[in-house]
Amino acid sequence: DVKVTQSSRYLVKRTGEKVFLECVQDMDHENMFWYRQDPGLGLRLIYFSYDVKMKEKGDIPEGYSVSREKKERFSLILESASTNQTSMYLCASRGPGTGVVEQYFGPGTRLTVT
Amino acid sequence: AQTVTQSQPEMSVQEAETVTLSCTYDTSESDYYLFWYKQPPSRQMILVIRQEAYKQQNATENRFSVNFQKAAKSFSLKISDSQLGDAAMYFCAYRSALGGSEKLVFGKGTKLTVNP
Repeated sequence: DVKVTQSSRYLVKRTGEKVFLECVQDMDHENMFWYRQDPGLGLRLIYFSYDVKMKEKGDIPEGYSVSREKKERFSLILESASTNQTSMYLCASRGPGTGVVEQYFGPGTRLTVT
Repeated sequence: AQTVTQSQPEMSVQEAETVTLSCTYDTSESDYYLFWYKQPPSRQMILVIRQEAYKQQNATENRFSVNFQKAAKSFSLKISDSQLGDAAMYFCAYRSALGGSEKLVFGKGTKLTVNP
């Protein structure tokens, strides 16, 4: 079974802090994603990566950056956390191919910025 | 840009009954993929069912089936013999089949409650 893990289930940070959210997958997937989930808004894509050191902006990249130094690990960075970044963050990975290939999701990190 | 609309923010069903969750999407493409994902409370999101647009036959996975109407751009999910474990948020998602397209576009979700 594919396993996608996230470093924390719950995180509380202060405004202005630099925040790192880590995601690790164990299936050698090329593609990894970071989403933000808010009630009534569904999932919105922040960034994705299709290979090591490669990244592309999603729909809401402002205020975020990412790092992918190793294939299995994809980090989301909040350079200076703000209260409007309080949300649930979901990581996902997907194997190769352009067919109807599913994304596998991690358990999520609920981040609160105070 | 493609959009996915789930018009029912919340639905409820009695245990053992059947419920249908609606999803419509907007696209100018002819080839794409559609998915339904389930997110149980405090648990990981998992794939329920998937459909390739070029296949006319509706996908089925045990108690879960879809009604895919390509011309109407509709992709509804039917859950038969509902169980308490079906209670979850359900998200409909679209992905283009264009080469290099990795992005999933999600609807806003439908919260399903199953009453005993």
